[in-house]
Amino acid sequence: NAGVTQTPKFRILKIGQSMTLQCTQDMNHNYMYWYRQDPGMGLKLIYYSVGAGITDKGEVPNGYNVSRSTTEDFPLRLELAAPSQTSVYFCASSSSMSSYEQYFGPGTRLTVT
Amino acid sequence: QKEVEQDPGPLSVPEGAIVSLNCTYSNSAFQYFMWYRQYSRKGPELLMYTYSSGNKEDGRFTAQVDKSSKYISLFIRDSQPSDSATYLCAMSELQSNDYKLSFGAGTTVTVRA
Repeated sequence: NAGVTQTPKFRILKIGQSMTLQCTQDMNHNYMYWYRQDPGMGLKLIYYSVGAGITDKGEVPNGYNVSRSTTEDFPLRLELAAPSQTSVYFCASSSSMSSYEQYFGPGTRLTVT
Repeated sequence: QKEVEQDPGPLSVPEGAIVSLNCTYSNSAFQYFMWYRQYSRKGPELLMYTYSSGNKEDGRFTAQVDKSSKYISLFIRDSQPSDSATYLCAMSELQSNDYKLSFGAGTTVTVRA
């Protein structure tokens, strides 16, 4: 049972480039989330989804986009990368019955220079 | 003012000591209170959760919630080097918003052998 998987593990982008962070879960969870974690700042919610075809903004959505075409996949798109998007990105999922118990992926470390 | 405040530490204790961690919050609508543990360069994992006020014990770990003071605590008894990690508190409201978690900044704990 793989849980939540994320690719890539590391990435360096130049300012203005774009990329997609991939996230897949195999637990049949309805809810999925994208967070960013900056040093000393905790986890900030970027976008979330309560099911296939349904997405909504979190606390810090600017500069990002998401889609949810299947239950398993929840990719995060960065358009026109900026140094402020240098961070560690975590994808998470949870069931609707216990949404407080979120299962996190291993994270993607992104540097924008 | 942040919605959830947590002292980032770091906290360094000798093996066998009691570790005391805490968070304060401002949103009186929070009903679920969680502690996540995050090892270095890994994703967070749920350690304990408590619904509303009271205490909960799980082995060497005890979580306490005091809603009147808007204060939650996590105690680790007989601490071990394997407890060295960052501990994040998280909270959510009941009902339709319970999938959105508000995280503290995390406290980094080192248990010295």
